[in-house]
Amino acid sequence: RKEVEQDPGPFNVPEGATVAFNCTYSNSASQSFFWYRQDCRKEPKLLMSVYSSGNEDGRFTAQLNRASQYISLLIRDSKLSDSATYLCVVNDYKLSFGAGTTVTVRA
Amino acid sequence: ETGVTQTPRHLVMGMTNKKSLKCEQHLGHNAMYWYKQSAKKPLELMFVYNFKEQTENNSVPSRFSPECPNSSHLFLHLHTLQPEDSALYLCASSQDISSGISGEQYFGPGTRLTVT
Repeated sequence: RKEVEQDPGPFNVPEGATVAFNCTYSNSASQSFFWYRQDCRKEPKLLMSVYSSGNEDGRFTAQLNRASQYISLLIRDSKLSDSATYLCVVNDYKLSFGAGTTVTVRA
Repeated sequence: ETGVTQTPRHLVMGMTNKKSLKCEQHLGHNAMYWYKQSAKKPLELMFVYNFKEQTENNSVPSRFSPECPNSSHLFLHLHTLQPEDSALYLCASSQDISSGISGEQYFGPGTRLTVT
């Protein structure tokens, strides 16, 4: 089983829609979690850290479910500029990256 | 943004060449990283430096040789590479990792390497 697994997508959504996707991790002792976004042919950029109580930053909400070992990212009121690949990162004293979930927001 | 810079941005090299990738961070961080990103694959951590000292080498072949002269600069020296080494090489930095690796990292734009 891979350490971090993500649905590669693509998730094609219209502007204004809500899109959500999960990331599962295999190590129950994982300590911290992050979402990064990576635009095509660009570097990853930290989107948000995921706290145990969940985390909200504007239109983005991240949640952690330790019992089922997954984190989620929800994007409300999608914008064209949200089109990107979203990378899940899990820290269990080493960093494990998922391969990413691609989101395409269409006009 | 100029937080983490990398040069060159693109590099084409033959299998017998020697080249170096350079990374510089202007964020006052003490930890620096090299990653390899191949198409459709997760980022692969290659090397980690903390306060100029190498703290992690993820079984990287010796044809990749890192160098960290100070906390702001990181190099990756390349020699006798193989075509399968073609990838995007990303540098990143973070705060001091003496108490554990940080998930909050700042990446440079990467060097797209093609080995012919």
